[in-house]
Amino acid sequence: EPEVTQTPSHQVTQMGQEVILRCVPISNHLYFYWYRQILGQKVEFLVSFYNNEISEKSEIFDDQFSVERPDGSNFTLKIRSTKLEDSAMYFCASSDLGATTYEQYFGPGTRLTVT
Amino acid sequence: AQSVAQPEDQVNVAEGNPLTVKCTYSVSGNPYLFWYVQYPNRGLQFLLKYITGDNLVKGSYGFEAEFNKSQTSFHLKKPSALVSDSALYFCAVRDSGNTPLVFGKGTRLSVIA
Repeated sequence: EPEVTQTPSHQVTQMGQEVILRCVPISNHLYFYWYRQILGQKVEFLVSFYNNEISEKSEIFDDQFSVERPDGSNFTLKIRSTKLEDSAMYFCASSDLGATTYEQYFGPGTRLTVT
Repeated sequence: AQSVAQPEDQVNVAEGNPLTVKCTYSVSGNPYLFWYVQYPNRGLQFLLKYITGDNLVKGSYGFEAEFNKSQTSFHLKKPSALVSDSALYFCAVRDSGNTPLVFGKGTRLSVIA
């Protein structure tokens, strides 16, 4: 069964450093998302991406964040200058445009620890 | 704006007993409702969804959920709980096909042998 994959599984970085989190969505999916889950809290939406542009973003997704689909398979989330409060589990998700399929499929997540 | 409430942080149930994990929602249009499960150190796994049609939807691992429009609820149920069902369960809602999901805070289910 096709699945969303994410790398790395765990990233430790120092405050102020740039990090790039990588995702490979399911191959025939066209909508891509990033969510995050701070430890012990609920899953929060960051950004959605369709047709090579951001379609929606939350207020969490400020100028420090960016997303890119550099090729036909990868979808990346970049944090330019990490802060302690960026420590969280980051989930990538994808979905297709099929009329009968509305669920988003989530990757296993990348745990980001900012020290 | 959409919102989801999961009123219980923790649900404890004995193995073999029926379980219910509660969820209520608020959305401006027609709701698209989902349940996801998260096992320790794992991602979110899709369990089931309600888009339209029959109010009782069946999903993976023997779970089902009942959509109740008048009560704006979408409670997750299983007739006979297993220890392996112990996990964190999230209810989520969206108001159209590809808008972002809004999640509840999650309910930790503990099934005791």
